[in-house]
Amino acid sequence: ETGVTQTPRHLVMGMTNKKSLKCEQHLGHNAMYWYKQSAKKPLELMFVYSLEERVENNSVPSRFSPECPNSSHLFLHLHTLQPEDSALYLCASSSHAGTNEKLFFGSGTQLSVL
Amino acid sequence: AQSVTQLDSQVPVFEEAPVELRCNYSSSVSVYLFWYVQYPNQGLQLLLKYLSGSTLVKGINGFEAEFNKSQTSFHLRKPSVHISDTAEYFCASPPRGSQGNLIFGKGTKLSVKP
Repeated sequence: ETGVTQTPRHLVMGMTNKKSLKCEQHLGHNAMYWYKQSAKKPLELMFVYSLEERVENNSVPSRFSPECPNSSHLFLHLHTLQPEDSALYLCASSSHAGTNEKLFFGSGTQLSVL
Repeated sequence: AQSVTQLDSQVPVFEEAPVELRCNYSSSVSVYLFWYVQYPNQGLQLLLKYLSGSTLVKGINGFEAEFNKSQTSFHLRKPSVHISDTAEYFCASPPRGSQGNLIFGKGTKLSVKP
């Protein structure tokens, strides 16, 4: 148990659906992240939040919308996704959004877009 | 060009044999280097990291890695593997000037056989 919890573990959605992924960390960290893990591709950073403010956004399509209401919770709102968005979405947290910080990952949400 | 390169996508070894998982980095990343491990159906966990100082870094579960500046490498080693080491291993480094980002290699799947 890493202290980072993601729900749901699995999600199947159609291209017209709207759904949200949830992440919660119980570590008292100030930074939270969304990563995308696709088959045969490196992990891709999507968003970084530090003290509830977005500090990095790696050219992610607008059909992915993050929300960080407080330092313990992070959401990823999904709408009108494409089949190529099917992947494992990993949430992570760290003490601060520094380049040498240890990341604590959740177990991920396996997303399938039909 | 990919900034963190893991040359082997799969490495099969027998139990109790030594293993080396290779990682090379480019000048586009900083010299903060990390190895993460992902066990089946789980998120990533930090194995070890190099920030500065001694070039030989010891991590959890008996793993170690050596930072080699002249060869721009950060290979991961274990003298004797166990079945439980079967997992995917990721080398990572933050790009220069980034805040909280990590560039991950494509991963190496280590399969330990009895």
